[in-house]
Amino acid sequence: DAKTTQPTSMDCAEGRAANLPCNHSTISGNEYVYWYRQIHSQGPQYIIHGLKNNETNEMASLIITEDRKSSTLILPHATLRDTAVYYCIVRATLRVGNTPLVFGKGTRLSVIA
Amino acid sequence: DTEVTQTPKHLVMGMTNKKSLKCEQHMGHRAMYWYKQKAKKPPELMFVYSYEKLSINESVPSRFSPECPNSSLLNLHLHALQPEDSALYLCASSQGLAGGQESDGQFFGPGTRLTVL
Repeated sequence: DAKTTQPTSMDCAEGRAANLPCNHSTISGNEYVYWYRQIHSQGPQYIIHGLKNNETNEMASLIITEDRKSSTLILPHATLRDTAVYYCIVRATLRVGNTPLVFGKGTRLSVIA
Repeated sequence: DTEVTQTPKHLVMGMTNKKSLKCEQHMGHRAMYWYKQKAKKPPELMFVYSYEKLSINESVPSRFSPECPNSSLLNLHLHALQPEDSALYLCASSQGLAGGQESDGQFFGPGTRLTVL
């Protein structure tokens, strides 16, 4: 079962920052937070991941609260091409290997012109 | 090459047909995955191969038969499917399940859209 809770849908104006929240109150110490997105009729695409520090890459920023029970994905300047379903996934990284991704329902982000 | 390719893109088959879905990656990844995605639902894990051995089968019916001929290829053999098996079938790969590192994200292919009549 998915271990995350996300809003079902969100709208964002083009050019504005999109802030997508995720609750993962039962996250354990060896679990990372991953974000993927799926544009209509395509395969899921990796965005970013983190453990406890904030992370930034060319696509997005990930802000994780100090208690690690929630996080926010930030798309700094949303474009129409960012319209997609965004999945927040917690995933264990064990010494013996990683666990497969288990997808929850995700947030459907609509970027509006 | 950072792509996962899947063929065919679309497949229509009858309930008595036998068909196969193919997946290929040349990133040197040692873990490969099959997911099934119904319309407006999240992807659901079906099978995981690690170092060419089946490591996870999520109680998938036997009419779906996975095969990993080598580290770059993953097949899904289909036989006697039902109309409710119509879905998008996604393949993914990652560096490996054993001795994995925290940066071990999964790369997904574009999927095969299957319709069972």
